Amino acid sequence: GDSVTQMEGPVTLSEEAFLTINCTYTATGYPSLFWYVQYPGEGLQLLLKATKADDKGSNKGFEATYRKETTSFHLEKGSVQVSDSAVYFCALSGSARQLTFGSGTQLTVLP
Amino acid sequence: DVKVTQSSRYLVKRTGEKVFLECVQDMDHENMFWYRQDPGLGLRLIYFSYDVKMKEKGDIPEGYSVSREKKERFSLILESASTNQTSMYLCASSLPGRLPEAFFGQGTRLTVV
Repeated sequence: GDSVTQMEGPVTLSEEAFLTINCTYTATGYPSLFWYVQYPGEGLQLLLKATKADDKGSNKGFEATYRKETTSFHLEKGSVQVSDSAVYFCALSGSARQLTFGSGTQLTVLP
Repeated sequence: DVKVTQSSRYLVKRTGEKVFLECVQDMDHENMFWYRQDPGLGLRLIYFSYDVKMKEKGDIPEGYSVSREKKERFSLILESASTNQTSMYLCASSLPGRLPEAFFGQGTRLTVV
């Protein structure tokens, strides 16, 4: 079945540091890929998405590129802020029409 | 503003109790989902529904049931609560299609004692 593996956390960075959170997937066919973010005390919200190979999703300074050859969708941001502290989830939507989530990565950004 | 509302933020129940978690969405979405969120395990799908009175088992349906009598409401039922069902429960809804951007409620933190 479909699965998502993402980088273990927690990740702690200083403000303005570069962020990478790794995500790889296993799926049949051509899944759509997503990053969701969960701020403290809130539900998940969509951060960005990509629907086909080489697509780049971007939002709020975050980017991720759908790499079919490496089955990856790594999340990056050039300069993180304290307000980016949250839990980040990689997810895919495959043939089953459902979202399959990774285990989540806790990010803490220190001033 | 789109909204998925879960009836309780925090809930404490006793072992063996029947527990109802309610979820309402105001976006006229066909699809609704119940997940549980546990540290290190991410979100795991319990049940989902693509239409009124329709339900499908997800990855971990054991010990749970659901009800969808109206399009906007999707209820999760713990028939006899157990301590291993202590968790964060998240409801979500989406439109049908290949890009199911899901909208989530704020979650219900359930503690079974």
